[in-house]
Amino acid sequence: GDSVTQMEGPVTLSEEAFLTINCTYTATGYPSLFWYVQYPGEGLQLLLKATKADDKGSNKGFEATYRKETTSFHLEKGSVQVSDSAVYFCALKSLGYQKVTFGTGTKLQVIP
Amino acid sequence: NAGVTQTPKFQVLKTGQSMTLQCAQDMNHEYMSWYRQDPGMGLRLIHYSVGAGITDQGEVPNGYNVSRSTTEDFPLRLLSAAPSQTSVYFCASTGQGAPGNEQFFGPGTRLTVL
Repeated sequence: GDSVTQMEGPVTLSEEAFLTINCTYTATGYPSLFWYVQYPGEGLQLLLKATKADDKGSNKGFEATYRKETTSFHLEKGSVQVSDSAVYFCALKSLGYQKVTFGTGTKLQVIP
Repeated sequence: NAGVTQTPKFQVLKTGQSMTLQCAQDMNHEYMSWYRQDPGMGLRLIHYSVGAGITDQGEVPNGYNVSRSTTEDFPLRLLSAAPSQTSVYFCASTGQGAPGNEQFFGPGTRLTVL
């Protein structure tokens, strides 16, 4: 079945540091890939997505590229801010299905 | 649009009590789902529905019931609450069609079972 593996947290960075959160997946066919973000006390919201190989999703300075050859969708940001402190979830949705498979989440803390 | 709404925001139950968590969406989405979120375990799917009158089990359905009488509403019922059901519950909805359609989440219900 489908599965998503993302790096363990928590991740603590200083403001303006470079961020990478690794995500790899297992799925049949060509899934759509997502990054969701959850701020404290809130529900999840979509950060970015990619629907086919080599697509790059981007939003709010975050980027992730759909790499089919390595089955990966790593999240990156060049310069994090304190306001980026949140939990980040990698997720996939297989073609023809509506169910979404989530990773376990990575908590990011950015300190001034 | 209000998006996905959930009530209540917080709830404390005693073991053995029953209750219903409410979820509604105003986006005319066909697909709705319930998740629970526990520390270190991400989101686990409890039940889902692909349209009014159609529901199915997710990976952790025991102890929960759902129904879908309208497109808008998807309540989750706890039949006899247990401490293991202490969690944060999220409802989500997705529109049909494009494979890249995102899920929209409600703000969550924080449930404590004593």
